[in-house]
Amino acid sequence: DAGVTQSPTHLIKTRGQHVTLRCSPISGHKSVSWYQQVLGQGPQFIFQYYEKEERGRGNFPDRFSARQFPNYSSELNVNALLLGDSALYLCASDRLAATTDTQYFGPGTRLTVL
Amino acid sequence: DAKTTQPPSMDCAEGRAANLPCNHSTISGNEYVYWYRQIHSQGPQYIIHGLKNNETNEMASLIITEDRKSSTLILPHATLRDTAVYYCIVRGGNKLVFGAGTILRVKS
Repeated sequence: DAGVTQSPTHLIKTRGQHVTLRCSPISGHKSVSWYQQVLGQGPQFIFQYYEKEERGRGNFPDRFSARQFPNYSSELNVNALLLGDSALYLCASDRLAATTDTQYFGPGTRLTVL
Repeated sequence: DAKTTQPPSMDCAEGRAANLPCNHSTISGNEYVYWYRQIHSQGPQYIIHGLKNNETNEMASLIITEDRKSSTLILPHATLRDTAVYYCIVRGGNKLVFGAGTILRVKS
């Protein structure tokens, strides 16, 4: 079975631009979470979606938004990019967005903002 | 979510057991202990999780103390491919709260 997939693998943008990152969960998983990992730090939670509804939001500005589609895939959007948004963006999926559900991560999208 | 404390780094000889400690003295009764690892620039990989009892799977064993204030992840026969950052996470809600983790270096 295919794992969590993310696209694109790498992306280079300039300050002020907008970016959209995509994630496809493991088949049968209805929950998707997004994390940001800045170099040298652990991943930080951004959003969780379950059945197209936002279930949780981390401490990120409103420039960050996300949505989940009927097929449970998800997009993360970041507006007005800043240099500090350069990071590895990780998507994780699980079945039911429950505490006991294991989250499985994709390979990530490396975003570089110049 | 409770905070965890892990040593910044550890070394292990190839073929020997790697024992990675984690302190979580403020853990609540309904919070699980999860372990993930991350090999350079890849997405975190799930290893194992537990609540109270010790757990074992094909990758590792998780030993949780009776008071649940600490745990140890055991890789029984470490290989060079086990070199990674290992994260111990106490999870009470839907999100995972990562700390800095332990850099495990397996040496030949």
